[in-house]
Amino acid sequence: QQPVQSPQAVILREGEDAVINCSSSKALYSVHWYRQKHGEAPVFLMILLKGGEQKGHEKISASFNEKKQQSSLYLTASQLSYSGTYFCGTVHSGNTPLVFGKGTRLSVIA
Amino acid sequence: DGGITQSPKYLFRKEGQNVTLSCEQNLNHDAMYWYRQDPGQGLRLIYYSQIVNDFQKGDIAEGYSVSREKKESFPLTVTSAQKNPTAFYLCASSISSGAGGIDTQYFGPGTRLTVL
Repeated sequence: QQPVQSPQAVILREGEDAVINCSSSKALYSVHWYRQKHGEAPVFLMILLKGGEQKGHEKISASFNEKKQQSSLYLTASQLSYSGTYFCGTVHSGNTPLVFGKGTRLSVIA
Repeated sequence: DGGITQSPKYLFRKEGQNVTLSCEQNLNHDAMYWYRQDPGQGLRLIYYSQIVNDFQKGDIAEGYSVSREKKESFPLTVTSAQKNPTAFYLCASSISSGAGGIDTQYFGPGTRLTVL
């Protein structure tokens, strides 16, 4: 079952913050976040596991709320290089494949 | 340098022709995946393989076929039965033979297929 991402698109000025949400109607085993620049391959950002802690590096972090079956990606003090489409992928059990959401298009402008 | 290669980057075919997309990895990964990407649809799983000589259908397998005769190679054939084959195709791999619960997937650069 495809996770639902919100918002579908967002425009930020450099230095602003953004939150991207990923929700599932089924219990989650793990959540994966990727970023894709136009015409390029998606690039891995982070994985959050059931029972795990909030993760992050530099100004991009994420949380995983097992009860609500959702994850949020936090981008702080955005930079032009953060522009792209962000995808969450969800796994519902240890032996099922990743299912990606439709993506959130993030545009950072000067 | 380790990575995933897909060739060609752009591919044009006439309607009714089968076409095979190449995917090779030298990461020594057990699992490999094929995704289709259409504007606004995200990445949809076509087929995946957890081990050589075995593969499973994903959400949109109709009109596609795969083989996994070697660990490093996972070619995808788009057959004439696929009603709307024009799309961006991405191949990925992950280290373990699990279906993906905790493993990072590494993506190739993609092949953009246009059927005329």
